[in-house]
Amino acid sequence: AQSVTQPDIHITVSEGASLELRCNYSYGATPYLFWYVQSPGQGLQLLLKYFSGDTLVQGIKGFEAEFKRSQSSFNLRKPSVHWSDAAEYFCAVGQGYGNKLVFGAGTILRVKS
Amino acid sequence: KAGVTQTPRYLIKTRGQQVTLSCSPISGHRSVSWYQQTPGQGLQFLFEYFSETQRNKGNFPGRFSGRQFSNSRSEMNVSTLELGDSALYLCASSLAGQGTDTQYFGPGTRLTVL
Repeated sequence: AQSVTQPDIHITVSEGASLELRCNYSYGATPYLFWYVQSPGQGLQLLLKYFSGDTLVQGIKGFEAEFKRSQSSFNLRKPSVHWSDAAEYFCAVGQGYGNKLVFGAGTILRVKS
Repeated sequence: KAGVTQTPRYLIKTRGQQVTLSCSPISGHRSVSWYQQTPGQGLQFLFEYFSETQRNKGNFPGRFSGRQFSNSRSEMNVSTLELGDSALYLCASSLAGQGTDTQYFGPGTRLTVL
């Protein structure tokens, strides 16, 4: 069965500092991987996705993620965090057929000035 | 284009009642998925509809059901509400329901069961 682990429940970063959010997945086939962000009281917004090809994918808002098959990881990074990035971030894995997504528990990002 | 809309945004019910939530997908999208979000269990997949047919189903009891209409709008119904059904219910739509599609999420319906 598919599963996603986000080991960090909370992360605090200073504004302007770099960010890395960790995600490990378990899936038998080639995974479809996603990062979503959720601000309080909002739905989920897609930051980026990976299906195949270049293992470094660029997303919106200056985010990028790197797929490492050997480590079953898909970590999200941003070189310089802005206060508006404070939100909850979810990693998800999808299957090839249909739209069922399995989400990690989420990482809450706090940005301090 | 208008995004995914969900109605109502907030709902308060009592145990034993039933509730119907509505989701209008982005125009042209044919796949609608539903998710339950709770602090304890996180985001969990409920079911997916594509062209009026349920295509995938999560591990929820039969009290949770849904349907999709010919215009792709979807409803989910929860019968005999329990306290544990209190959650944010999110709907997502995508163009063709392929695994590579981007799913666009609505703002959710916050259900409180008293």
